[in-house]
Order: sequence, then C-alpha cells, then structure tokens
Amino acid sequence: AQSVTQPDIHITVSEGASLELRCNYSYGATPYLFWYVQSPGQGLQLLLKYFSGDTLVQGIKGFEAEFKRSQSSFNLRKPSVHWSDAAEYFCAVAAGNNNDMRFGAGTRLTVKP
Amino acid sequence: KAGVTQTPRYLIKTRGQQVTLSCSPISGHRSVSWYQQTPGQGLQFLFEYFSETQRNKGNFPGRFSGRQFSNSRSEMNVSTLELGDSALYLCASSLNSRELVGGTQYFGPGTRLTVL
Repeated sequence: AQSVTQPDIHITVSEGASLELRCNYSYGATPYLFWYVQSPGQGLQLLLKYFSGDTLVQGIKGFEAEFKRSQSSFNLRKPSVHWSDAAEYFCAVAAGNNNDMRFGAGTRLTVKP
Repeated sequence: KAGVTQTPRYLIKTRGQQVTLSCSPISGHRSVSWYQQTPGQGLQFLFEYFSETQRNKGNFPGRFSGRQFSNSRSEMNVSTLELGDSALYLCASSLNSRELVGGTQYFGPGTRLTVL
C-alpha cells in the first residue's frame, strides 16, 4: 500500500524567506500526489495536486511543488512566505487503482515576523 | 456555492455512548468521505459513500459506520464510544467517486468529538 513521510514535524521561517516542505512517498506505480493546508480549527484546503505531465505543479497562494520520481519526493515550495501561511501542511498520496488516500503526519509551519 | 458543512462542530460524550455526526456536501457533489484526525495517528480514511453506497472503507472497527441519503448528505455513527475515539472527524465531498483519486476533495471544518 502507498505511504507518505513528512520528515519535518515543525519548521520555522522568517516572513519573506523562502520555504520548502519535504514529502517522500512510497508506491510502486505513478501516484496521485497532493498538498493540503490546514489552519487552526479549519478543515483541509487543497493547495495543488500532481497526476501526470509536467513535474512542476503550480498551486494556489503562490505555492508550487516538484515531483521527482527518482527521489520519490514531492516537495512543496514558496519563494516568499507570508505570516498568513502559518498553518499545518499535509502531503497525501492516492493510488491509481483504488480510492484510498494516505496522508503524511503533517508539518507545522511557524512564520516569524 | 456553499461549502461543506458539518454538524455539530463540537461534541462531548462519555464512554459507551454512541454518536452521530452529519455532513452536507457541496451542492451537486455525490461523493462524501470521512476521515479521523488525531495527534497520534494523523489523518486516517474511514470510508467513502457515493450515490448512497459505501464504496471504500478504511481500517476501522465495525463500531464506525455511515450512510448517505438521496440528497447526498451523509451521517457517520460511532457506537460504544471509547476514549481513543476522541478526534477531529472531517468530511470531504467531491463531484463523483472517481474524483476521490483524481480530483479535488473539499473538506468541511470538522466535528471535534471528545469522549470522557
């Protein structure tokens, strides 16, 4: 079965600095990959998704992610972080032949003024 | 268009009781999925309903059940509550079942269940 690892539990960056959140997946075939963001007390909002094609995916709020098959990674990036980006970020993987979506443990992002 | 709504937002129950949570998907969406979120286990898939039929089920005991009505609204029931059932229960809707894998799921704000 597919699985997801987010190695960083908590990351702190200064406002205006660049951001990269790591995500590694395990799945035999090409997976469907997602990044979600969850603000306190809220549900999850989809930032971006990768199914096939261009390995660099653009999402909402200025986020992008790059699929690297050789590294089994799907890291999320943003060139300049805003204070409102402070939240928990989840990477998820879904297999192509079933509807079981697996989430990573999440990375909590703190933004320093 | 209104988003996914979940009621109630907060719930406190005692061990042994049962609870029913409700989820109203986005208008026109026919698939509803339920997830349990806890600090220890993270986000775990419970089940998906599409057109009033359970399509997929995660690895949860039979105490967790659900149903979907003809208007796509869904309910989740947990019987004989245990302390470990304390969690945020999230509901997500999508246009159709195939979209669970390939499309966009829209999440509700969740129901925070506390079992004492």
